[in-house]
Amino acid sequence: AQSVTQPDIHITVSEGASLELRCNYSYGATPYLFWYVQSPGQGLQLLLKYFSGDTLVQGIKGFEAEFKRSQSSFNLRKPSVHWSDAAEYFCAVGGGGYQKVTFGTGTKLQVIP
Amino acid sequence: EAGVTQFPSHSVIEKGQTVTLRCDPISGHDNLYWYRRVMGKEIKFLLHFVKESKQDESGMPNNRFLAERTGGTYSTLKVQPAELEDSGVYFCASSQDWGDEQFFGPGTRLTVL
Repeated sequence: AQSVTQPDIHITVSEGASLELRCNYSYGATPYLFWYVQSPGQGLQLLLKYFSGDTLVQGIKGFEAEFKRSQSSFNLRKPSVHWSDAAEYFCAVGGGGYQKVTFGTGTKLQVIP
Repeated sequence: EAGVTQFPSHSVIEKGQTVTLRCDPISGHDNLYWYRRVMGKEIKFLLHFVKESKQDESGMPNNRFLAERTGGTYSTLKVQPAELEDSGVYFCASSQDWGDEQFFGPGTRLTVL
């Protein structure tokens, strides 16, 4: 069965600092991988996705993620965090595009001045 | 264009009571999905409608949960009778076609006391 592990429940970074959120997945074939963000009072928003091709994926809001098959990882990165990035971030894996997606438990990001 | 909306945003009920959650998808989206996030856990798929038909209800936890989508527009999710373990955030999402990106609503936070 497919699964996602987000080992960090809560992360605090200073504004302007770099960010890396960890995600490890378990899936028997080539996975479809996603990162979603949920800001307070908002729905989940798709940040980026990996379906195939280049393993470094660019997303919205300056985020990127790198698919590393050997490590079963899909970590999310941003070079310089803004206060507006404070939110909860969810990694997800699927076997059929956007269908049958399994989400991780989420990482809450706090940004301090 | 309006996004996915959900009502209410919060609901607090006592164990044994009935609660009905509503989801209005993006206009024209035939596909509607329900997900649930129990506190601190991952977001889990509940079911998928294509128009008014249930395409996949494999994630519904038990027969206390009843989802409907009469007329293929908005959907309701009824919990009757509610139990303590039903507390969590219920998300709705919609997509135009099966396999397209799903757009999420802000969720309904259900608390069962």
